[in-house]
Amino acid sequence: QKEVEQNSGPLSVPEGAIASLNCTYSDRVSQSFFWYRQYSGKSPELIMSIYSNGDKEDGRFTAQLNKASQYVSLLIRDSQPSDSATYLCAVNTRNAGNMLTFGGGTRLMVKP
Amino acid sequence: EPEVTQTPSHQVTQMGQEVILRCVPISNHLYFYWYRQILGQKVEFLVSFYNNEISEKSEIFDDQFSVERPDGSNFTLKIRSTKLEDSAMYFCASSYLTDTQYFGPGTRLTVL
Repeated sequence: QKEVEQNSGPLSVPEGAIASLNCTYSDRVSQSFFWYRQYSGKSPELIMSIYSNGDKEDGRFTAQLNKASQYVSLLIRDSQPSDSATYLCAVNTRNAGNMLTFGGGTRLMVKP
Repeated sequence: EPEVTQTPSHQVTQMGQEVILRCVPISNHLYFYWYRQILGQKVEFLVSFYNNEISEKSEIFDDQFSVERPDGSNFTLKIRSTKLEDSAMYFCASSYLTDTQYFGPGTRLTVL
């Protein structure tokens, strides 16, 4: 069974600090990886996608992928109170109808 | 910016009743999906739909569930005889190809 694991948190960081969120996945044939942000009672909102090993930067966000170790991470620089949310890691094995398998999410709290 | 829309935002129904949840995917997208999230739990894949047929479905998507694209814009999820355990947030998503999926705001289904 394909699994995606995340520490549920909460991860508490002070405003302006770097938040580091981690995710591991079990299916080696996974091909694409996504980070979504979910505010309480709302739908997942895409932050970043990553497909190749290494780092991908977009503004204050950096996604890191290591397929050999089967982990993907998200760094949030200069964290803001508005970043407080649950961050969902999602993995796509494209030969399975393009379904996304989600982790349980990490709750991030950014304290002013 | 184009977005996925869903109606209704909240549906209350009696156990055993049929419900239809509606979605309008992003207009040029080709793949459509339904996910659900029971309160406090992971986002779970239900079904993916491409070229007017189901391309993948999960174990959750049993004979009580069906999907349809009745016209060029709508994508619906029908639950034939609702159970208490069907109470959840139901998210529709769409993607252009087998890449990034964008989620709608969700329909909260409450089964009494």
